[in-house]
Amino acid sequence: DVKVTQSSRYLVKRTGEKVFLECVQDMDHENMFWYRQDPGLGLRLIYFSYDVKMKEKGDIPEGYSVSREKKERFSLILESASTNQTSMYLCASSLQGLRGYTFGSGTRLTVV
Amino acid sequence: QQQVKQSPQSLIVQKGGISIINCAYENTAFDYFPWYQQFPGKGPALLIAIRPDVSEKKEGRFTISFNKSAKQFSLHIMDSQPGDSATYFCAARGTSGSRLTFGEGTQLTVNP
Repeated sequence: DVKVTQSSRYLVKRTGEKVFLECVQDMDHENMFWYRQDPGLGLRLIYFSYDVKMKEKGDIPEGYSVSREKKERFSLILESASTNQTSMYLCASSLQGLRGYTFGSGTRLTVV
Repeated sequence: QQQVKQSPQSLIVQKGGISIINCAYENTAFDYFPWYQQFPGKGPALLIAIRPDVSEKKEGRFTISFNKSAKQFSLHIMDSQPGDSATYFCAARGTSGSRLTFGEGTQLTVNP
């Protein structure tokens, strides 16, 4: 069964910490995405990548960066965590040209 | 810049009833309209999708109705069951690139 795996289900971090969220897919997908999910706001795109070492800003990139050194791994980095970054973070992947996403189960991040 | 508007935010339906969730979009370049279903603690999963060259698509109890001129599409769940209780997201994809723009989400509760 195809999988997108997010390394942590729950994380609690302190304000100002550097936070790494890891995502790995085993489907050889070209595209990978990071969304955050907040009640009433739906899923908002933070960053995405169409290929190794490529990255594109989504709708809300401020305060975040990403890294894609290998095709299967896409990391989201919070350079200096703030309380307004408390959220559910979802990673997804898809094949080039295909429209369906496969999502991971999410990481619920709390910044205190 | 929310380009896909979804309503209602929450919906309560009795078992056996019809659940209807509506979405409206602005970008006429969108060419693919999926619906995702998300259960608590899980990532969203593709439920059903439609392209704008058809007005309706049915898969079991789930039907998408699409109105291109009104730039609206809706999800109908016939004979709703308690197991359908979940959060539903509509989405849309432009003709360039693979990124999806999501609606705000609808939390559906089907009472037994």
